[in-house]
Amino acid sequence: GAVVSQHPSRVICKSGTSVKIECRSLDFQATTMFWYRQFPKQSLMLMATSNEGSKATYEQGVEKDKFLINHASLTLSTLTVTSAHPEDSSFYICSAGLVRGHIEQFFGPGTRLTVL
Amino acid sequence: AQSVTQLDSHVSVSEGTPVLLRCNYSSSYSPSLFWYVQHPNKGLQLLLKYTSAATLVKGINGFEAEFKKSETSFHLTKPSAHMSDAAEYFCVVSADNQGGKLIFGQGTELSVKP
Repeated sequence: GAVVSQHPSRVICKSGTSVKIECRSLDFQATTMFWYRQFPKQSLMLMATSNEGSKATYEQGVEKDKFLINHASLTLSTLTVTSAHPEDSSFYICSAGLVRGHIEQFFGPGTRLTVL
Repeated sequence: AQSVTQLDSHVSVSEGTPVLLRCNYSSSYSPSLFWYVQHPNKGLQLLLKYTSAATLVKGINGFEAEFKKSETSFHLTKPSAHMSDAAEYFCVVSADNQGGKLIFGQGTELSVKP
């Protein structure tokens, strides 16, 4: 149980285009989803927290107009990287929160974004 | 504020020898602590978690960790390393008052030599 999927697993795009990444909780409902970015050989950095039906809360330094997050249902959140540039190339990982006394996060397999 | 420090960026062991990955934390609240493993280009897998129950926590694949409040530590151990244990390991702290937000350590890369 508590499986989270991400799609696509890899994406290559041209500079200036937008890319959408989907995160789905397959067998549970997640009121909260989290988006992380991980640069090579580095740790995960939280980008934003989203609650179903409300606006995402972005971490300091993360541009909300560049990284659009939508959490329209209890099983789906999307991250759209708008007007992507090579510096946006990274590994993006989502997690879905399940309340078990406290919020436990279950992670997706990640999406490798390469911007040419 | 909550924070977590992994004391070693890289640890190398021989197959069959013990593993020790060190982690210290700082928290203003009673923390929940986690260890995650990440294999190359993969997502994270939860190894074990501490949530104010038993201080010695047993996880998957033979790993365990001991919560020591007096030392603010949560070191990860395994009696005998296997080649498949080679991966990146993250110590993570959560403070429930932040709605489940996780704070990641910098990671420790574990290498296992044959």
